[in-house]
Order: sequence, then structure tokens, then C-alpha cells
Amino acid sequence: GAVVSQHPSRVICKSGTSVKIECRSLDFQATTMFWYRQFPKQSLMLMATSNEGSKATYEQGVEKDKFLINHASLTLSTLTVTSAHPEDSSFYICSAPYGATEAFFGQGTRLTVV
Amino acid sequence: AQSVTQLDSHVSVSEGTPVLLRCNYSSSYSPSLFWYVQHPNKGLQLLLKYTSAATLVKGINGFEAEFKKSETSFHLTKPSAHMSDAAEYFCVGGFQKLVFGTGTRLLVSP
Repeated sequence: GAVVSQHPSRVICKSGTSVKIECRSLDFQATTMFWYRQFPKQSLMLMATSNEGSKATYEQGVEKDKFLINHASLTLSTLTVTSAHPEDSSFYICSAPYGATEAFFGQGTRLTVV
Repeated sequence: AQSVTQLDSHVSVSEGTPVLLRCNYSSSYSPSLFWYVQHPNKGLQLLLKYTSAATLVKGINGFEAEFKKSETSFHLTKPSAHMSDAAEYFCVGGFQKLVFGTGTRLLVSP
């Protein structure tokens, strides 16, 4: 089946620094990708919709200046957590729609801000 | 608006006994529904999906789910639990933009 690769799988950064997470569709094109966040023992919440060649769409309550999304090509979307703080520590996961009814997920990135 | 409700935050079973994870959905139109499994510190793996072709859907690892429109339910079942089934299970609805249930942690004891 289709594959979505997310990198890195785990990152620890210092408070105040920025972290970039990449999401690639390896064998199909994705004009749209979705970024989710999962806090410990909670469900996944949609953060934003990444659109190739245009601005991302953010869900209510998500700071667009803090979570920068770039969808520069049909196979790559990036999420940059800027000026990270401990409260940004979470599990971030991307997905890319495949066909009309399916989505493939990346492996996820566990971010720890110290 | 779409919503997906998982009725149990935790389900505990013994190995070899049946598994039932409950999910109800609300939608003004027939949805696409999915069950995903997440093992600790891992990404999400699709177990099965319903897309209106058949109400009884068979997935991987012996899991299946039945779409019941009259009950707006899409419960996940497995006849016999295995230790490796212990994980977090998410009922998910929607089309490309997915709505996640709150998850059910399945615990399997020897």
C-alpha cells in the first residue's frame, strides 16, 4: 500500500528553539496533508490542513505563527514548531489522503521540549 | 457536524476471549468510518474501513466491524483476543479530514 514517511520519529530540543518535522508521501502525490497532535492519553486532534502551493488552513485555537506549515511539493509537507516550549511537547502525526476514502499516516514524531 | 464517540476508555479481556470495542457516530450523511490501532510509541495502523459497500467489514488480524445505520454504531469485534492486540484503538470518521474518537485502550491478560 501507499506509504507516508515522517521524520524525525523522536526529537528533544531546548526551550526557545525551533523544530522541523517532515512528512513525505513516498509513492503517491498528495496535494493535501493533515497534521494532528496527540497529548498523552488523549485522542488525536487536527491542527491544520496543508495545501500544496497555497496557505495552510488552521483549526481554531492553533497558532499559525507558532506552527508553520509549508507544502512546497506534491510529496512533502513540513511542520515547524517555532520557539518551542515545554507545553508543546506532544506526539505529532501527519496524514495524506489516498483516493476518496482513505488516508495514510506517518509514523509520528514525539517532541520533547526541555 | 460529524462526531465519533467511543463509549469505553478502557476494555480488559483475557487472552482467548472475545473483544468488543464500541463506537457510535453522528452524521447527517453516510460517513466513511475506520478503525485504527496504535501500539505504544508507534504510528497509526489501519485495521479496517467502511465505505458503504458492505455493512460487515473484515480487517486485518482477525478484527471485523459491523455498520448499523439504525443504531449509528460501528463496533469493532474479534472472536479471540491475543496478547499482541493490547493497544489503543481509535474509531475514526469522515472523509479526507478525519474526526477521531477519544480512543479505547485494550488490555489483554494471560
